Amino acid sequence: DAGVIQSPRHEVTEMGQEVTLRCKPISGHDYLFWYRQTMMRGLELLIYFNNNVPIDDSGMPEDRFSAKMPNASFSTLKIQPSEPRDSAVYFCASSFVVHSGNTIYFGEGSWLTVV
Amino acid sequence: SQQGEEDPQALSIQEGENATMNCSYKTSINNLQWYRQNSGRGLVHLILIRSNEREKHSGRLRVTLDTSKKSSSLLITASRAADTASYFCATVRHTGNQFYFGTGTSLTVIP
Repeated sequence: DAGVIQSPRHEVTEMGQEVTLRCKPISGHDYLFWYRQTMMRGLELLIYFNNNVPIDDSGMPEDRFSAKMPNASFSTLKIQPSEPRDSAVYFCASSFVVHSGNTIYFGEGSWLTVV
Repeated sequence: SQQGEEDPQALSIQEGENATMNCSYKTSINNLQWYRQNSGRGLVHLILIRSNEREKHSGRLRVTLDTSKKSSSLLITASRAADTASYFCATVRHTGNQFYFGTGTSLTVIP
């Protein structure tokens, strides 16, 4: 399997622009997570889905952020309008639950810079 | 962080020495996991320890868990330069399937 695939890997955008980050989870995984990583705040769980349904979005910082999962193989995280403080690495990850304990598989991240 | 803290924040050792990093967490858990992140990359799973286990080994890794103190430690024995990375603990609660990560320990192994 190719693993979790994220795009773009790097994006530089101007403040106020819309940013869309994309993720393809590992086939067969029924959980998908979006994390944000910064030096100041570490790894923050933004939102996660189970079987394409958002389960917990309490980590989404504000209404400018939205996430969708229209099918089992695709998810997006959108920021509109973007601000410089949104600059971070955004990770998508996926997992499936097994009785013995599941692990989470990360993509390589989308490095976002808002100027 | 949303769930826990690792300490130390940074650790620098000589190749061949052992590295120990600690993780403290806040709520009851189903299991605790350790992940590694190389610079510029995503996190990779290393080892999982369940809440009813106290110690687990995998190769040069040894993990302990003390649920009464809500803490865990990761020991890397006979460290190598290639072990240079950031190490994170992640807790998984009994309810839901959220993975909450600590703040990470940045390990540098000097050849």
